[in-house]
Amino acid sequence: RKEVEQDPGPFNVPEGATVAFNCTYSNSASQSFFWYRQDCRKEPKLLMSVYSSGNEDGRFTAQLNRASQYISLLIRDSKLSDSATYLCVVSGDSSYKLIFGSGTRLLVRP
Amino acid sequence: EPEVTQTPSHQVTQMGQEVILRCVPISNHLYFYWYRQILGQKVEFLVSFYNNEISEKSEIFDDQFSVERPDGSNFTLKIRSTKLEDSAMYFCASSDPQGVDTQYFGPGTRLTVL
Repeated sequence: RKEVEQDPGPFNVPEGATVAFNCTYSNSASQSFFWYRQDCRKEPKLLMSVYSSGNEDGRFTAQLNRASQYISLLIRDSKLSDSATYLCVVSGDSSYKLIFGSGTRLLVRP
Repeated sequence: EPEVTQTPSHQVTQMGQEVILRCVPISNHLYFYWYRQILGQKVEFLVSFYNNEISEKSEIFDDQFSVERPDGSNFTLKIRSTKLEDSAMYFCASSDPQGVDTQYFGPGTRLTVL
């Protein structure tokens, strides 16, 4: 089983749509959870952290379900500039290394 | 806003040559990391570094790799004898003591081994 698993997409949605991404992780002892955003050939950029029951930042909402080892990201009112790959990331159970999923690609069309 | 910087942005080298990739982490950060991303694949952890020593390394980080903090600002990754399969984007990241698992990434160095 992959350590962090995501649907690769792509998700192709119109501007203004709401879109949700899901992620599962295999290590139940993982401590911290993040969503990063990566544009083509660029570095991963921290979008938001997900530490407990959930986190909201403007149009973005992330949820964590520890029992199911499941993380989600909801984007409301999609903008063209939201087009990117969204990376689900967890940190190790006893270390600070980040473990990345393969990413979910989002395309927002006019 | 402080940011991690990396040089060069693109490095082309011949197989078997040594390369040194350079990073300047955010100034008050104390934890440093290298990751790599082969084209079309996921980002993979290589090594973490704290208090002038390696704190963790992955299976990828074999004897051909080394890291160093030669002065108070730079953090380097050396590959002694490059292989074709070392071609990838190499990202440096850093984090501060309060948010050690919140890591900020540099723009990366694209390494091409011919």
